[in-house]
Amino acid sequence: AQSVTQLDSQVPVFEEAPVELRCNYSSSVSVYLFWYVQYPNQGLQLLLKYLSGSTLVKGINGFEAEFNKSQTSFHLRKPSVHISDTAEYFCVGLRAAGNKLTFGGGTRVLVKP
Amino acid sequence: NAGVMQNPRHLVRRRGQEARLRCSPVKGHSHVYWYRQLPEEGLKFMVYLQKENIIDESGMPKERFSAEFPKEGPSILRIQQVVRGDSAAYFCASSQDRGGDSPLHFGNGTRLTVT
Repeated sequence: AQSVTQLDSQVPVFEEAPVELRCNYSSSVSVYLFWYVQYPNQGLQLLLKYLSGSTLVKGINGFEAEFNKSQTSFHLRKPSVHISDTAEYFCVGLRAAGNKLTFGGGTRVLVKP
Repeated sequence: NAGVMQNPRHLVRRRGQEARLRCSPVKGHSHVYWYRQLPEEGLKFMVYLQKENIIDESGMPKERFSAEFPKEGPSILRIQQVVRGDSAAYFCASSQDRGGDSPLHFGNGTRLTVT
């Protein structure tokens, strides 16, 4: 069965500092990977996705993620965060022939001034 | 707003009552998914529907929960005889096609509180 693990439940970070959110996945078949962001009391918004091709994926709001097959990781990074990046971030997997997303437990990012 | 519309945003029910959650997908989308988010947890898949058909309900509790997506009108997630453990945020998502290349659009969720 596929699983997605987010290693940090909370990440406090100062404004304009870099941030990295860690994600590892396990799967025996090809997998698509996504990062979603959830702002307070809102739905989820897609930040970026990896389907195939280049392992460095750029998304919205200055975020990027790198797919690393050997380490089964898909870490999310932003070089300089803003207060508005305070939110919960979910790493999500989807089996290539599947129809249900598997969510990691989420990482709460709190950006401090 | 052409996004996924869910209503109500907040729903309070007493134990034993029924809860009906509605989801109108993005116009033109025929694939609808329901996810549940328990407090302090990620989202868990419940059910996947296409127009008039349930494709995958492997995440649905065996009793009290049902879902439909009729030919006309919104998708409905129905919870009968609610219990406190049903308190959660329920998210609906829609896509144009099935698979990873077809992005999922999420609604803002319905927050169910069972008292």
